[in-house]
Amino acid sequence: GQNIDQPTEMTATEGAIVQINCTYQTSGFNGLFWYQQHAGEAPTFLSYNVLDGLEEKGRFSSFLSRSKGYSYLLLKELQMKDSASYLCAPLGLTGGGNKLTFGTGTQLKVEL
Amino acid sequence: DSGVTQTPKHLITATGQRVTLRCSPRSGDLSVYWYQQSLDQGLQFLIQYYNGEERAKGNILERFSAQQFPDLHSELNLSSLELGDSALYFCASSHPYSGANVLTFGAGSRLTVL
Repeated sequence: GQNIDQPTEMTATEGAIVQINCTYQTSGFNGLFWYQQHAGEAPTFLSYNVLDGLEEKGRFSSFLSRSKGYSYLLLKELQMKDSASYLCAPLGLTGGGNKLTFGTGTQLKVEL
Repeated sequence: DSGVTQTPKHLITATGQRVTLRCSPRSGDLSVYWYQQSLDQGLQFLIQYYNGEERAKGNILERFSAQQFPDLHSELNLSSLELGDSALYFCASSHPYSGANVLTFGAGSRLTVL
């Protein structure tokens, strides 16, 4: 089975840095995705980590520790448009193939 | 535009009815996934197809069924609808990225059951 834990809500200030944590327990772990979802819209791909360490992509970085079942998404130089839900999604290898399970998301509010 | 097309965008129907949601994947993508997103529950995986064959199954109710056609478009059929089936239904298709498959989502079909 899969257990995903991330904070429900976070608030940060424009221009600041915020770190969104995610812990997971996933059978047959095969990597972890982060997606961004604005209200009422489709989730969009942000990052994928399969090896331990930090992956940097512009203002967004994602970190993975496989041994700890832990990941975080780091957002720098926050902008108002970054207000959205951030979904942690570990990929698990099951008998039926790879299965991507989404957490309930962290609602980030960026304030002036 | 993500390249994944879903129709209809909005649908309002009554309990007990049946609806069909349609999805066309991105050009070249062979896999189609269906997810349900309710207000309180986040994105729930329903089912995956790959090149016409069912590949993985999630928490899909028996009242729901899906298929992927030879032209790779997919349909999700929801029958005997209940109030609790009101949700956003997302379709996604996937393409390889760093050894995994990245899902690209359509804009969703919002179903309201009255």
